[in-house]
Amino acid sequence: GNSVTQMEGPVTLSEEAFLTINCTYTATGYPSLFWYVQYPGEGLQLLLKATKADDKGSNKGFEATYRKETTSFHLEKGSVQVSDSAVYFCALSPYGNNRLAFGKGNQVVVIP
Amino acid sequence: EAGVVQSPRYKIIEKKQPVAFWCNPISGHNTLYWYRQNLGQGPELLIRYENEEAVDDSQLPKDRFSAERLKGVDSTLKIQPAELGDSAVYLCASSLEPGEGLFFGSGTQLSVL
Repeated sequence: GNSVTQMEGPVTLSEEAFLTINCTYTATGYPSLFWYVQYPGEGLQLLLKATKADDKGSNKGFEATYRKETTSFHLEKGSVQVSDSAVYFCALSPYGNNRLAFGKGNQVVVIP
Repeated sequence: EAGVVQSPRYKIIEKKQPVAFWCNPISGHNTLYWYRQNLGQGPELLIRYENEEAVDDSQLPKDRFSAERLKGVDSTLKIQPAELGDSAVYLCASSLEPGEGLFFGSGTQLSVL
């Protein structure tokens, strides 16, 4: 089946530090991959996406590259801000539909 | 452009009571989803509609949950009777094209006491 695995545990880091959140997936065919962000008290917002191998999604300083050979879609940001504190979810949808499967999410806390 | 609108924002009920959630998707989005998000977990799909038709309801607990999307626009999700384990955030989402991702509402946080 289709599934997404995110690294365990919250991530706490200082402002301007480098952020990486790991995401690996299992899927048949060629899924689309997504990162969603959920700020406190709000719904999920699409952060970035990639629809084919080697595509790089980017938005608000965040980047993730679709790596088919390692079945990964790691999220990175070079210099985080306090306002980046949120929960980040990796997700995939099988080719041709939007039936998203989500990872468990990672809470990111950025300390001033 | 207005986003996905859900109501109520919060709901507190006693177990065995009924509850209903309402969703208005983004205008023009034919596909509508209901997800449930338990605390500390990612959302899990309950049901997906293409226009008025429920095309994927395999994860919907049909003994107590029901949903409808009359006229292919607004949707209602109902639980009757509610159980303690139903406490969660219920998210509605809509989409336009496959592969483009979903747009979520703010959700309804349900607490069953």
